[in-house]
Amino acid sequence: DTGVSQNPRHKITKRGQNVTFRCDPISEHNRLYWYRQTLGQGPEFLTYFQNEAQLEKSRLLSDRFSAERPKGSFSTLEIQRTEQGDSAMYLCASSLAGGKNTQYFGPGTRLTVL
Amino acid sequence: GESVGLHLPTLSVQEGDNSIINCAYSNSASDYFIWYKQESGKGPQFIIDIRSNMDKRQGQRVTVLLNKTVKHLSLQIAATQPGDSAVYFCAFLGPGNQFYFGTGTSLTVIP
Repeated sequence: DTGVSQNPRHKITKRGQNVTFRCDPISEHNRLYWYRQTLGQGPEFLTYFQNEAQLEKSRLLSDRFSAERPKGSFSTLEIQRTEQGDSAMYLCASSLAGGKNTQYFGPGTRLTVL
Repeated sequence: GESVGLHLPTLSVQEGDNSIINCAYSNSASDYFIWYKQESGKGPQFIIDIRSNMDKRQGQRVTVLLNKTVKHLSLQIAATQPGDSAVYFCAFLGPGNQFYFGTGTSLTVIP
């Protein structure tokens, strides 16, 4: 399978715990995006990388959220001191810079904070 | 802020009929638009895209229409099938090289 993959698919955690999600983009794609999606809503942009550089961050990305893409391939999204309001689907997408920049999404990680 | 609106949150159609899903956007400067399909428990799946220098683009059983004058985008699905049941999102490329998504239209195909 050469699509975008995300792990884990589901995560249940207690409030106050830290969680980390991983995204592996399509191999030749140099751009990687993180989105958050709550029930009944469209995805909301969080941040994106071009290669290893984090180029944009949404104001939705509080200080408790951090994302990395150390080698320009996979990326991790960490949420510290989780809150119940963090419960959502976290989606990763990748694209090839230049041209249309069409984003292809992974299956998402469903986070539930108890 | 940027916004994308959808005219109807839900749509039910009979199998074999055509479906039309509408979307309004706010950023007149956007030059790229995408329709995504999202099935339950899955990530959005690319369906079709269109650039602002076009007003119509066709794919397999799908057509996207763009009316830049009224900032309106629509997705037409021909001969709708049960497998088309999903939530459909329009998205446009806006400031900061970000895609802005609408809230989605839930399409239900009645056998």
